[in-house]
Amino acid sequence: KQEVTQIPAALSVPEGENLVLNCSFTDSAIYNLQWFRQDPGKGLTSLLLIQSSQREQTSGRLNASLDKSSGRSTLYIAASQPGDSATYLCALLNRDDKIIFGKGTRLHILP
Amino acid sequence: ETGVTQSPTHLIKTRGQQVTLRCSSQSGHNTVSWYQQALGQGPQFIFQYYREEENGRGNFPPRFSGLQFPNYSSELNVNALELDDSALYLCASSLGLRGADTQYFGPGTRLTVL
Repeated sequence: KQEVTQIPAALSVPEGENLVLNCSFTDSAIYNLQWFRQDPGKGLTSLLLIQSSQREQTSGRLNASLDKSSGRSTLYIAASQPGDSATYLCALLNRDDKIIFGKGTRLHILP
Repeated sequence: ETGVTQSPTHLIKTRGQQVTLRCSSQSGHNTVSWYQQALGQGPQFIFQYYREEENGRGNFPPRFSGLQFPNYSSELNVNALELDDSALYLCASSLGLRGADTQYFGPGTRLTVL
């Protein structure tokens, strides 16, 4: 059974720092992995989608990597800003067509 | 803005009642998925519809049911509400099947069961 873990559960960093969020999973038989951002009480905004054949995707200050063999993905945020404060979730699309989310990392950027 | 809308925004029901939540997908998106997100948790997959047919289901009982309509709208129906059904319900639309494409989420409906 696929399990998705995000560590840490919460993170506070000063503005301007680079940071890495982690997502690990137990079954490498996935179609893709997607990173989302969720603001309090709101829906999810897709940040990056990595297909299983890809190693990384970049969008602006964000870079996501995928290493299926080790069951890990990272989301790198460069030059963090207060507006980056949110909960970041990773989600896998399994080979059984089910989408499994992690519990998320609550990120707080200190001005 | 993702172009996906949900109604109502908030809803309060009592145990045993029935509820219908609505979602309007992006035009042209054939796939809609529904999720339940309890406080402090990640979303849990309820089911997915592709071109008006159920195309996958998570570990939710049959009292959770859905419909998808040709005009890119969909419904989530929950019968015999229980206290644990209190959650944020999210719908997401995507272009293709199996969520292989980027999913676009609506803002959610906050359901409280008393």
